[in-house]
Amino acid sequence: GAVVSQHPSRVICKSGTSVKIECRSLDFQATTMFWYRQFPKQSLMLMATSNEGSKATYEQGVEKDKFLINHASLTLSTLTVTSAHPEDSSFYICSALGGVTNYGYTFGSGTRLTVV
Amino acid sequence: AQSVTQLGSHVSVSEGALVLLRCNYSSSVPPYLFWYVQYPNQGLQLLLKYTTGATLVKGINGFEAEFKKSETSFHLTKPSAHMSDAAEYFCAVIRGSARQLTFGSGTQLTVLP
Repeated sequence: GAVVSQHPSRVICKSGTSVKIECRSLDFQATTMFWYRQFPKQSLMLMATSNEGSKATYEQGVEKDKFLINHASLTLSTLTVTSAHPEDSSFYICSALGGVTNYGYTFGSGTRLTVV
Repeated sequence: AQSVTQLGSHVSVSEGALVLLRCNYSSSVPPYLFWYVQYPNQGLQLLLKYTTGATLVKGINGFEAEFKKSETSFHLTKPSAHMSDAAEYFCAVIRGSARQLTFGSGTQLTVLP
């Protein structure tokens, strides 16, 4: 079945540094990838939608310059949290749309970001 | 705009009892609906989905859901709860031309021994 690999699973960084999170579709080509943020005990909030080779579309209220998304190939999308601050600490999850399954959304296992 | 509402942020059932998690949708067009399960610190796993065709959808782990247009509902059920079913459950609907998923607020299922 479709598999999406998300790395790292956990990361701790210092305030002011940048962190990159990778999302790879291992056995299918992901035409579209989505990035979500999830606060404790809450639902998933869509941050942005990215299509291979084009600029990401950000949801209202999401800072484009802070959350840089790159979808350079059909199997890889990255989310870079720039100049991270403690309020950016959260659980980030990617999802890839593609493959042969009708409306087959496959989720990564998530990244727990802690900014200290 | 397409959206879903999950009634009950917490549901507790005894092991072996019926599981019923409620989801109502709001959509101006025929919706595509999903149920996902999330275990702590993990991503989401698809339980089942409704796109077209049969309104009773069977999923993994013994779960099923019925699309009821007249009630705008897509409730998730399982005849007999197992301890391993304890998790967070999300109902979702597709919105937009880019087919983004919009999630409900989630229901935490607790299974009591």
